[in-house]
Amino acid sequence: SYVLTQPPSVSVAPGQTARITCGGNNIGSKSVHWYQQKPGQAPVLVVYDDSDRPSGIPERFSGSNSGNTATLTISRVEAGDEADYYCQVWDSSSDHRHYVFGTGTKVTVL
Amino acid sequence: QITLKESGPTLVKPTQTLTLTCTFSGFSLSTSGVGVGWIRQPPGKALEWLALIYWNGDKRYSPSLKSRLTITKDTSKNQVVLTMTNMNPVDTATYYCAHKLLRGFAFDIWGQGTMVTVSS
Repeated sequence: SYVLTQPPSVSVAPGQTARITCGGNNIGSKSVHWYQQKPGQAPVLVVYDDSDRPSGIPERFSGSNSGNTATLTISRVEAGDEADYYCQVWDSSSDHRHYVFGTGTKVTVL
Repeated sequence: QITLKESGPTLVKPTQTLTLTCTFSGFSLSTSGVGVGWIRQPPGKALEWLALIYWNGDKRYSPSLKSRLTITKDTSKNQVVLTMTNMNPVDTATYYCAHKLLRGFAFDIWGQGTMVTVSS
């Protein structure tokens, strides 16, 4: 089945830019969605369809997707951005069409 | 305003069947494009998608768990029910239900989750 690979952790200083990657075979042909999850809370959608933001999500969150890698970029990182981040796609490339989540990345704000 | 809330047992024994209910408001599962999914997360681990049911009754299951899962809907009660058979300690997790965006395949609103422990 389709696999999405993320780095286990990313560290970033406040005010800097965090980039979280999500690798998958020809992921550029799929729509990628990103979720933020803080400890003890349910995930929150922060980017959908590669680069769109739900209402209420700051413009500091942006996304891109090409080739075998999708990227979530958090600009001007704040302490409140410290969380786990997951990518997700809908895989319709096989007989078993299904949703897939990435392995998750813990973002630490130094 | 869309809300979802999961309910069910907090503790089940190995080999038992788990039944979880997602009760929602703010949308109708009879509206074209609407879907409700189930996702779980073992303690300290990643999210894992389990199943989804669409407004038209179409269902999708995780390939690895398909033989153990059944998802159903009761449109009149605004509920979606997930059953998982033959529970095992590795199924210990927080179980979430979530609303799928009308267009596309993202989950835009999630329930608070319910923790299920599998232990004898």
